[in-house]
Amino acid sequence: DQQVKQNSPSLSVQEGRISILNCDYTNSMFDYFLWYKKYPAEGPTFLISISSIKDKNEDGRFTVFLNKSAKHLSLHIVPSQPGDSAVYFCAASGPYYNNNDMRFGAGTRLTVKP
Amino acid sequence: DGGITQSPKYLFRKEGQNVTLSCEQNLNHDAMYWYRQDPGQGLRLIYYSQIVNDFQKGDIAEGYSVSREKKESFPLTVTSAQKNPTAFYLCASSIGGRNPLGYTFGSGTRLTVV
Repeated sequence: DQQVKQNSPSLSVQEGRISILNCDYTNSMFDYFLWYKKYPAEGPTFLISISSIKDKNEDGRFTVFLNKSAKHLSLHIVPSQPGDSAVYFCAASGPYYNNNDMRFGAGTRLTVKP
Repeated sequence: DGGITQSPKYLFRKEGQNVTLSCEQNLNHDAMYWYRQDPGQGLRLIYYSQIVNDFQKGDIAEGYSVSREKKESFPLTVTSAQKNPTAFYLCASSIGGRNPLGYTFGSGTRLTVV
């Protein structure tokens, strides 16, 4: 039962343009959402998060948008840089963020072309 | 430098053999986790431990075993009962409670059955 889905396995964008990575979830009890970034041969690293009480969170070039009614979140990277090329995982947890109930999507491989 | 160390990076196992993956953290985190990553799938939780000498099964615990004798260490044994053990294994840790930064991951171990 995949509660968090990233339907695009890959995305390719030109340097300087916007990258939009999408994530859908099915469990309406999720109340906290995170994005992780993973380079080859490394573990995922935390990128940005958003609580369900917000609909947007921004950190530099990275912005996460949450649409609770659609059970959808997206990660925007503007402008995209070649160093952003990595696999991005969406994760969700809740209710009352608990250590053991985080669910991950399958990941989207982003390639930023110079 | 604080972090999580997984060893070995690559591991080959013959069918019918047990093998143990190491995970050590010096972050003083209470909670530790083991995930499995397969192509096209999200990270799936195998086992987790929120405190020393206690651990719980995750979604796909069959064929695996763990121990948590020390706070810093959470080794995972892949037993011969695991039907399809070839995968990428990730260990993670967390301070516990409501952590807005999610988990800290190790670099992973790629296990191949030959």
